[in-house]
Amino acid sequence: DVKVTQSSRYLVKRTGEKVFLECVQDMDHENMFWYRQDPGLGLRLIYFSYDVKMKEKGDIPEGYSVSREKKERFSLILESASTNQTSMYLCASSPPPAGFYEQYFGPGTRLTVT
Amino acid sequence: DAKTTQPPSMDCAEGRAANLPCNHSTISGNEYVYWYRQIHSQGPQYIIHGLKNNETNEMASLIITEDRKSSTLILPHATLRDTAVYYCIVRASTGANNLFFGTGTRLTVIP
Repeated sequence: DVKVTQSSRYLVKRTGEKVFLECVQDMDHENMFWYRQDPGLGLRLIYFSYDVKMKEKGDIPEGYSVSREKKERFSLILESASTNQTSMYLCASSPPPAGFYEQYFGPGTRLTVT
Repeated sequence: DAKTTQPPSMDCAEGRAANLPCNHSTISGNEYVYWYRQIHSQGPQYIIHGLKNNETNEMASLIITEDRKSSTLILPHATLRDTAVYYCIVRASTGANNLFFGTGTRLTVIP
């Protein structure tokens, strides 16, 4: 079975802190994604990566950055956390071609910024 | 990618078939229909996808109308563990790599 793991299920941070969310997949997938999920808004794509050191902006990249130094690991960084970044963050991975088929999701990290 | 419309909620009796509808009247020829579900406090889970032919796998069946403007996901024998939010997504085989998840249908399976 494909496994996508995220570093924390719950996280509480203060405004202005730098926050790292880590995601690891064990299926050698080229493509990895970061989404956030908010009530009434569904999932929205923040960034995705189709190869090591490659990244593409999604629909809502502002306030976020990402890092993909190894194929299995995709990190989401909040440089200076703000309260409007309180959300559920979901990581996903998929095999080629380019996320066309199914995406496999991690369990999510519920981040609260106070 | 085409927009989809789903009912916000549905109930289904345990053991009965659950039929979840989705309208995608602006779908274009190269767009596929995907279904995912999200059980409470978990990440979304892929269920099935199709282009124009009906599809079946171990989880569900997908029926796409001939004009492709709507589809139905069928869970043949719903169990309590099928209680989840079900998302119908339409996307092309080229272009952006992400999936646009709307607000989905909350299916409640009743004992």
